[in-house]
Amino acid sequence: DGGITQSPKYLFRKEGQNVTLSCEQNLNHDAMYWYRQDPGQGLRLIYYSQIVNDFQKGDIAEGYSVSREKKESFPLTVTSAQKNPTAFYLCASSIGGPEREQFFGPGTRLTVL
Amino acid sequence: GENVEQHPSTLSVQEGDSAVIKCTYSDSASNYFPWYKQELGKRPQLIIDIRSNVGEKKDQRIAVTLNKTAKHFSLHITETQPEDSAVYFCAANRGSTLGRLYFGRGTQLTVWP
Repeated sequence: DGGITQSPKYLFRKEGQNVTLSCEQNLNHDAMYWYRQDPGQGLRLIYYSQIVNDFQKGDIAEGYSVSREKKESFPLTVTSAQKNPTAFYLCASSIGGPEREQFFGPGTRLTVL
Repeated sequence: GENVEQHPSTLSVQEGDSAVIKCTYSDSASNYFPWYKQELGKRPQLIIDIRSNVGEKKDQRIAVTLNKTAKHFSLHITETQPEDSAVYFCAANRGSTLGRLYFGRGTQLTVWP
């Protein structure tokens, strides 16, 4: 069954702790993206990667980090430096660059207590 | 970078009426304009896109128009149905096959039966 998956669906962490969100795809897509979704804010890009071992900052990268060691995986770490980490996080992938359809995962809702 | 503005932020229509959502962009090099639909509790999905070499594209009840001179594009939904209720996002690239999309903030469309 092909697709893009994110885990966990819900995540709770204490303030000051780092947390890593998982994103995996078996679509053989080269490009992967991380978005943050807040009410009324749309889809804000955190990081994106167009090829293994390479990634670029998006519009709101501060307090986040990523890695792209495998084509299938693009984990996002929310660090303690992120001032307001409670949000809905969406991962996406596409077969090529921005002119190709992005397929989104189901999302992870992170709540920092 | 590219700046994509989307209006209105909320839109309510009666079932059977038409709905129009408008987006403007700032980079004249942008040449790809997708629209994504996100139903409540679900992931965004591409519903239609247009490239700068055409002025209009239709797919059943939905259509997108592009005015390159004015740098705006619009989503038109005719004969709206309750299942059209969702958040709609427009986006634009920056005229490159690399990089990322720039999303608008979204429009919450509600179709009343």
